[in-house]
Amino acid sequence: DAGVIQSPRHEVTEMGQEVTLRCKPISGHDYLFWYRQTMMRGLELLIYFNNNVPIDDSGMPEDRFSAKMPNASFSTLKIQPSEPRDSAVYFCASSLMGSSYNEQFFGPGTRLTVL
Amino acid sequence: AQSVAQPEDQVNVAEGNPLTVKCTYSVSGNPYLFWYVQYPNRGLQFLLKYITGDNLVKGSYGFEAEFNKSQTSFHLKKPSALVSDSALYFCAVRPFNQGGKLIFGQGTELSVKP
Repeated sequence: DAGVIQSPRHEVTEMGQEVTLRCKPISGHDYLFWYRQTMMRGLELLIYFNNNVPIDDSGMPEDRFSAKMPNASFSTLKIQPSEPRDSAVYFCASSLMGSSYNEQFFGPGTRLTVL
Repeated sequence: AQSVAQPEDQVNVAEGNPLTVKCTYSVSGNPYLFWYVQYPNRGLQFLLKYITGDNLVKGSYGFEAEFNKSQTSFHLKKPSALVSDSALYFCAVRPFNQGGKLIFGQGTELSVKP
């Protein structure tokens, strides 16, 4: 099992540009989570999906952020336009309902820097 | 409101000494509790969980945690700390009736000195 895969691992972009972060969950998992981690705010849940359907997006900071899960093996988090305050590490995690009582498996993260 | 609190931003321990990282929770119903560890520039890794049964839960790398229902606590412990245990530790709780969601504490930085 390859674990949760995220790409890119590092992204440096300029303010105003569109940024797309990608995630491949563990095969067979039915929950997918997007988190953001910063020194100031800690670990924040942005949105999560169950069976490809968004369940709770209350943590999405504003309309510049959007997330999709077109199929069970792929999800994207898009920021358009990006701003310097979006600089953070973005984690994707997946879990299987009913197994290990929702133990989440985290990807390595994408470190985003917006100049 | 369902929540997790880690009262210490940082814990400093000498190598070989016992360590405790504190966690308290507030949740409806029976709690499902977790500890995760994050090493620098890495994602979070699962350490252990409490679902039901024995109040003392054993996990990876020699860590254990004690569930105390009356004090609503789930403190992480290790009898003898290693320098390599230095990392950021997160406590988490599964809220009642919210599917797969976990609520994480703010994290505690553990520093083990030789």
